[in-house]
Parts: sequence; structure tokens; C-alpha cells
Amino acid sequence: GAGVSQSPSNKVTEKGKDVELRCDPISGHTALYWYRQSLGQGLEFLIYFQGNSAPDKSGLPSDRFSAERTGGSVSTLTIQRTQQEDSAVYLCASSPGGGSNQPQHFGDGTRLSIL
Amino acid sequence: AQSVTQLGSHVSVSEGALVLLRCNYSSSVPPYLFWYVQYPNQGLQLLLKYTSAATLVKGINGFEAEFKKSETSFHLTKPSAHMSDAAEYFCAVSDEGTGFQKLVFGTGTRLLVSP
Repeated sequence: GAGVSQSPSNKVTEKGKDVELRCDPISGHTALYWYRQSLGQGLEFLIYFQGNSAPDKSGLPSDRFSAERTGGSVSTLTIQRTQQEDSAVYLCASSPGGGSNQPQHFGDGTRLSIL
Repeated sequence: AQSVTQLGSHVSVSEGALVLLRCNYSSSVPPYLFWYVQYPNQGLQLLLKYTSAATLVKGINGFEAEFKKSETSFHLTKPSAHMSDAAEYFCAVSDEGTGFQKLVFGTGTRLLVSP
């Protein structure tokens, strides 16, 4: 596809379980971002990948959150021991580079519900 | 740190009326500012961006925004609302101190368009 693809589109899981969210960026885009959108906190930056450089993890809310990007393409966001406050929509975006003139293209998100 | 404030969580207009969505920013350096639109169950789509070129920025779908440094504002306007404009709109500033386009979003304004 031409756009950013995220899977699954919806995920329901029990508190305490681990979840993995996947993001497939636009081909050729070197920059990849994860954001979280929740009722209480709005839209928050989580993590940024640029090529093969070390990611900027400054937005990750706790050590239960981690992300990796394999081969500079697909990214996986993992949440361990999920809590109810992790319920949110997780959005992924990619851009041709990390600079300010590079527009971010967003996927449709994964809606995560923790029971 | 950079931040944006969006006044009004909801704005209601009639079809054909002027749309005005307000955004004020706080930044210690010349900012990069963005407006995004989000339709239900979709990701964010870039409407327009300000990157220190022209102060009046034209975007997609007939929207435009004017950067006013003296007022620290970047309000979004459209002369004539269409039913299809009903969506949530987010103003964002790029935190350039990080070295990449780390977006800091406002809380969003939901635009309602009545026939």
C-alpha cells in the first residue's frame, strides 16, 4: 500500500498481558514516530527512529514500553504487563527524514483496550 | 519547552459560514507550526505548516492559517464551511531543540458543521 500501515486496528486484552503493535512505514521513509492518543493526555510523542541511529525514547511513559525497528523499516511497539491506563489509540507516522520540512504521514492507529 | 493552546474544544458553524479555529503557541525560538485534521477512526492528515517563509500559509481543502508573531497565534480559517469539514483539528509545534520534528500537540478542536 501507499500509506503507513498499522496492525492490528483494534486490540482488546486483559490487564497484565503483553501486547505488540506493528507499524509498516511508507517505503523509503527513514524517520518513524510513535504517538499515543488518549482521552486524558491527548496526543503524546512516544519514540522516534531515524535510519539506523539510536532511537529517541524520551516520550516513553515507563519501562514497560519499548520499541524496535528492524532493518530500518517495520517497527514494533511492545507494552509489557499492560495497565488500564495504557488504553489508548497508538499512532505511527513516517517521514522521508526527521527535519522540519518533512511532513509526517500517519497510519490509522491501533485502538488498544485493556480490560 | 514549546507548547500550543487551542481555545475551544468544540466549534459549531453552519454550512457556508466562516471557520475559525484558534491556536496560540509558546516558543523560545522561531517555531515550526502545523495544523492536522483527524476524521473518525483515522490517523492525522497534514493540512498546512509554517516554517518561517510566508506568514500566510495555504493548505489543502481551502484552509489557510496566518502566523502572527506579535500575538503568538496561528489560527486556522476557511471562508466557507462544508459538511465534509466536520472533524477534529489539532495544532502542533515542533520542538526543534530535540534535533528532529518532535511534535507537541494541542488538545484539539472538534468542528461541527450543520446544514
